[in-house]
Amino acid sequence: AQSVSQHNHHVILSEAASLELGCNYSYGGTVNLFWYVQYPGQHLQLLLKYFSGDPLVKGIKGFEAEFIKSKFSFNLRKPSVQWSDTAEYFCAVNTDTGNQFYFGTGTSLTVIP
Amino acid sequence: GAGVSQTPSNKVTEKGKYVELRCDPISGHTALYWYRQSLGQGPEFLIYFQGTGAADDSGLPNDRFFAVRPEGSVSTLKIQRTERGDSAVYLCARKQGRGYTFGSGTRLTVV
Repeated sequence: AQSVSQHNHHVILSEAASLELGCNYSYGGTVNLFWYVQYPGQHLQLLLKYFSGDPLVKGIKGFEAEFIKSKFSFNLRKPSVQWSDTAEYFCAVNTDTGNQFYFGTGTSLTVIP
Repeated sequence: GAGVSQTPSNKVTEKGKYVELRCDPISGHTALYWYRQSLGQGPEFLIYFQGTGAADDSGLPNDRFFAVRPEGSVSTLKIQRTERGDSAVYLCARKQGRGYTFGSGTRLTVV
């Protein structure tokens, strides 16, 4: 079975700091990669996704992620975080032939004004 | 979430009771998924429906859990003889392209 690892469980940053959240997956075949965000009290929302092509993908709210196939990684980045980015962030993986997503355990981000 | 409605939003039940959690994908997508998100964890797959049938139920933790989708639209997740360890947020999702759209979830608390 596939697995997804998110190395940072809790991250605390001041506003305007840069963000990078790590995500590694274990699967040797072709994967689709996603980052979801869950704001306090809200449902999971898609932040960005990678299927193929340019490994640097841009999502909503200034987030981007880079797929590095050789490292099995899909790290999330944002140059300057805002207080409103406080949320739980989940990396997820599936395959074109698979029926389910595999999620990481999540990273809780707190941005201090 | 837009396009997936889950009811109730919160459910508190006593240990040993039976509960039903409802998911309406609204726009009637063929593929429907149930996930469970325990505290401090990412969502874990439970079951996947293609139309009316359960195409993959490998994630159901035991035979106390069962799900149906009789008309290929609304789905109900049923949990018998609930245990405290069943406390979690139960998420429903529909396939949208190669991604998912999630509902807001049902927070189940077993006391």
